[in-house]
Amino acid sequence: EAQVTQNPRYLITVTGKKLTVTCSQNMNHEYMSWYRQDPGLGLRQIYYSMNVEVTDKGDVPEGYKVSRKEKRNFPLILESPSPNQTSLYFCASSWVAGGRYEQFFGPGTRLTVL
Amino acid sequence: QQQVKQSPQSLIVQKGGISIINCAYENTAFDYFPWYQQFPGKGPALLIAIRPDVSEKKEGRFTISFNKSAKQFSLHIMDSQPGDSATYFCAAMRAGNNRKLIWGLGTSLAVNP
Repeated sequence: EAQVTQNPRYLITVTGKKLTVTCSQNMNHEYMSWYRQDPGLGLRQIYYSMNVEVTDKGDVPEGYKVSRKEKRNFPLILESPSPNQTSLYFCASSWVAGGRYEQFFGPGTRLTVL
Repeated sequence: QQQVKQSPQSLIVQKGGISIINCAYENTAFDYFPWYQQFPGKGPALLIAIRPDVSEKKEGRFTISFNKSAKQFSLHIMDSQPGDSATYFCAAMRAGNNRKLIWGLGTSLAVNP
């Protein structure tokens, strides 16, 4: 089944404790991205990657890091989480063909930073 | 600065009614306009999309109307059902712009039985 998986789905942590949210896709997509979703603010892009070893900042990159060592994986790293990073996070991968473009989203990771 | 403005923020419709969500954009270079549907506890999923060379696209009960001169596009859900209750996001993209989608803030739709 074509899918984007994220782990963990739920995480409660404390300020300053480094964490990684994993993202993996099995569709051989080149483009992947991370979003955070907050009430009233919609979806905001954190980082994106056009291909292996190619990453760039989105709209809200502060406090986050990413890496893309393999095509299928795109982990999100919070080196020193803070309470304002409490949010719902989505990983997405995308393809474009025949004039159609689609982003496939993972199930989300709900992060709480105390 | 919100490049894609979506309204209303929330919408309540009776079963069988028509749900209408509107979006307006500023950048005339946008050439792809999708709508995504998100159910609680799930990630958004592509519902329907349109390019500016057509004024309307219909897929089942879902229709996108596109007005290029007004820089507006809207989603119409005909015969709305309780199962359509979800958050809907419009978005826009410019070809070659690193495939970056510019998102509206979302509309929470509730369809009453």
